[in-house]
Amino acid sequence: QVTLRESGPALVKPTQTLTLTCIFSGFSLTTSGMCVTWVRQPPGRALEWLARIDWDDDKYYSTSLKTRLTISKDTSRNQVVLTVTNVDPVDTATYYCARSRFASGSHWHDYWGQGTLVTVSS
Amino acid sequence: QSVLTQPPSVSAAPGQKITISCSGSSPNIGNNYVSWYQQLPRTAPKLLIHDNNKRPSGIPDRFSGSKSGTSATLGITGLQTGDEADYYCGTWDNSLSAGVFGGGTKVTVL
Repeated sequence: QVTLRESGPALVKPTQTLTLTCIFSGFSLTTSGMCVTWVRQPPGRALEWLARIDWDDDKYYSTSLKTRLTISKDTSRNQVVLTVTNVDPVDTATYYCARSRFASGSHWHDYWGQGTLVTVSS
Repeated sequence: QSVLTQPPSVSAAPGQKITISCSGSSPNIGNNYVSWYQQLPRTAPKLLIHDNNKRPSGIPDRFSGSKSGTSATLGITGLQTGDEADYYCGTWDNSLSAGVFGGGTKVTVL
């Protein structure tokens, strides 16, 4: 079955770089149409789409965070990594990775990890 | 400020039907399919509807989706206490070249 699990530090200091890893199983990121997306949710607030990486290594980023985000994949290890540079307390959120499907205007996230809470504080 | 607009809250009695709207524009809902997610308290989101009106395996037919122009709607019939959750719409935005979500709608079963 498809599973995803996020891992990363629970606490990060302002200005540091946050590195999050999504370890997945049950599908291959080399299969056409497969993608992995990162989504975050500040406490008590709405979901925010962050970045997506596709089977063909295409990458897409939130326009508001584009300069601070980098997404990459290691298909041999079934992992996707998201880095967020120069973090600020407003980056405090639960970060989710999700398996996504994308084709001809169709874009959805069918399996989600449990999320990892990251707090940015000095 | 979310790209997609949803009502903050909707409430109804058990057994009733509710609808949740999701309003967008041409670059997003107008030219792409919409998906819907249910987020129960303290859990990860769960896919309810994709491609405007398709339910994944295991999602009851009490949940339905539709789209018209630049708006989409999630319907829930036979409302149950277990449906109390936050609901989000999502799609792709061609202008942003990024995914977008609505601001979420909190459903309360009275």
